[in-house]
Amino acid sequence: DTEVTQTPKHLVMGMTNKKSLKCEQHMGHRAMYWYKQKAKKPPELMFVYSYEKLSINESVPSRFSPECPNSSLLNLHLHALQPEDSALYLCASSNRTSGRTEQYFGPGTRLTVT
Amino acid sequence: GENVEQHPSTLSVQEGDSAVIKCTYSDSASNYFPWYKQELGKRPQLIIDIRSNVGEKKDQRIAVTLNKTAKHFSLHITETQPEDSAVYFCAAIGGGTSYGKLTFGQGTILTVHP
Repeated sequence: DTEVTQTPKHLVMGMTNKKSLKCEQHMGHRAMYWYKQKAKKPPELMFVYSYEKLSINESVPSRFSPECPNSSLLNLHLHALQPEDSALYLCASSNRTSGRTEQYFGPGTRLTVT
Repeated sequence: GENVEQHPSTLSVQEGDSAVIKCTYSDSASNYFPWYKQELGKRPQLIIDIRSNVGEKKDQRIAVTLNKTAKHFSLHITETQPEDSAVYFCAAIGGGTSYGKLTFGQGTILTVHP
């Protein structure tokens, strides 16, 4: 089963709201990722978790706060976002964090900031 | 860091024709090269990948070739069908990274006309 799930599918939030995106995988993968994708552009890496510890932060603004409660779950907490943060947020997982390993993407959360 | 260039940005073919998408990479230590297909509003889906120790890999109508000396790799789709219409992204993982950090090309919009 190569399934990564994400909730919600769509989210509309105001600039003063606090919301969270959730990601789940049950493939026993030990690496999980958050990507941001703008229309007609490739996914851009935001964060990498390896064995439930944050290993890469691609200089993402602090209004995005990741959390990995356990090996199957990944959250992205959102606060005081800007309209330019509107995008598709994709979660991915892979078997291990070393190179040469497949990353599987979830369906994404389409976020609109008003 | 790694840089991946992808061409062409758009590709239009007739059903039954072949389609070829080419990518070049900058990091000679890169060792894993996946290709993702993304249909409108959906997740990137891994369709084929190749590791640096092989020169070619084939899966039914799709194939990928890798030339390590020239630092380029290509996706070949034969007998194209309308359902092949999507955005295709190539990607590379640099050999020096231990966190599976994917660098994507800018994408190719493939349109297959019936």
